[in-house]
Amino acid sequence: NAGVTQTPKFRILKIGQSMTLQCAQDMNHNYMYWYRQDPGMGLKLIYYSVGAGITDKGEVPNGYNVSRSTTEDFPLRLELAAPSQTSVYFCASSYSGDTEAFFGQGTRLTVV
Amino acid sequence: AQSVSQHNHHVILSEAASLELGCNYSYGGTVNLFWYVQYPGQHLQLLLKYFSGDPLVKGIKGFEAEFIKSKFSFNLRKPSVQWSDTAEYFCAVNAHGWGKLQFGAGTQVVVTP
Repeated sequence: NAGVTQTPKFRILKIGQSMTLQCAQDMNHNYMYWYRQDPGMGLKLIYYSVGAGITDKGEVPNGYNVSRSTTEDFPLRLELAAPSQTSVYFCASSYSGDTEAFFGQGTRLTVV
Repeated sequence: AQSVSQHNHHVILSEAASLELGCNYSYGGTVNLFWYVQYPGQHLQLLLKYFSGDPLVKGIKGFEAEFIKSKFSFNLRKPSVQWSDTAEYFCAVNAHGWGKLQFGAGTQVVVTP
């Protein structure tokens, strides 16, 4: 019962460094999402994908990039880390765009 | 633009008290509605969902929610909370064609023994 798996769980980055947050799901879901969660702000959608090869921007895409080469994987790339990107990042997947989403355990990222 | 509003940001109550969390959305079309819960240090888990049919839906752990279409609301209730219900609760909405869930800001619920 793996569901949605995110790695790493924690990471500290220096300003200007880059990294990739990994996300994989084994439920054969078409839709995948990246959210960031900041205290008191709920979850903000960064990017989402409706299938392999198709991605689209969410509410807060600046500073991030994604790709979706397979149904299972949806990595999130930070190219030039900034303190404003300190957050908890959640990956999620759903069968379709109007069904419930299943969430990964999250990645806590600190940029110093 | 669509939006989801949760009325309370923080709620503190004692064990055995009743809980009601408000959620309103702004969208005139047909929606699917969800409540998620996030226990401290954990990921979001689905509490309950409404797609169609009976507007009173029951979820896990004794929670229920009522969809009132005329009020664009989907309030969450639990008659008697336990200490283990301490968590953050998120209302979420999506609709056909949106391709994504829209979340409210969340309500932090603290249940004191």
